[in-house]
Amino acid sequence: DGGITQSPKYLFRKEGQNVTLSCEQNLNHDAMYWYRQDPGQGLRLIYYSQIVNDFQKGDIAEGYSVSREKKESFPLTVTSAQKNPTAFYLCASSITQGRYEQYFGPGTRLTVT
Amino acid sequence: GDSVTQMEGPVTLSEEAFLTINCTYTATGYPSLFWYVQYPGEGLQLLLKATKADDKGSNKGFEATYRKETTSFHLEKGSVQVSDSAVYFCALSGEGNTGGFKTIFGAGTRLFVKA
Repeated sequence: DGGITQSPKYLFRKEGQNVTLSCEQNLNHDAMYWYRQDPGQGLRLIYYSQIVNDFQKGDIAEGYSVSREKKESFPLTVTSAQKNPTAFYLCASSITQGRYEQYFGPGTRLTVT
Repeated sequence: GDSVTQMEGPVTLSEEAFLTINCTYTATGYPSLFWYVQYPGEGLQLLLKATKADDKGSNKGFEATYRKETTSFHLEKGSVQVSDSAVYFCALSGEGNTGGFKTIFGAGTRLFVKA
């Protein structure tokens, strides 16, 4: 079955540590996205990538970094510079960037204490 | 800039009641419109979509019609079930002001259905 996987489902870290969230897709999609969701809130775009080895900042990129070395993978690193990292992180993909629907992974809930 | 506004929740209904969740948008050009659903602790799933004016998207008893004249895409279902309890997001995907495409999500509307 095609889809998007995110791991782990729950992640706990101490303040000051960098942490990397995994996102893998086997849908053969060119475009991939990272969103942050806070309780009772909508989605905010962190980074997106239209093609391998290229990515663009979204609306709240500060304190985050990404890479896109393979079409299937788009890991997100939450750095110690991110002031409020505790949130639910969602990865998504679409055929390409355009008027297409996005397919979402199950999410990773990150708690930083 | 482009935006999506949907009705604030939570919306609480009894089973078999009629559901409407309002969504209006502001966009340049001709965006595609979507409804996504999110169950507790999960990612979003596409519920339905419409790509041009007067298109009706439908899935699992839910419907929404792309109304360009009123810039709306209201979600409706004739008879809700307890299993429909979730958060519903309206979204648009279209050309941004600086070229390229952008997807914008509404804030989400939480639906509770009581047995």
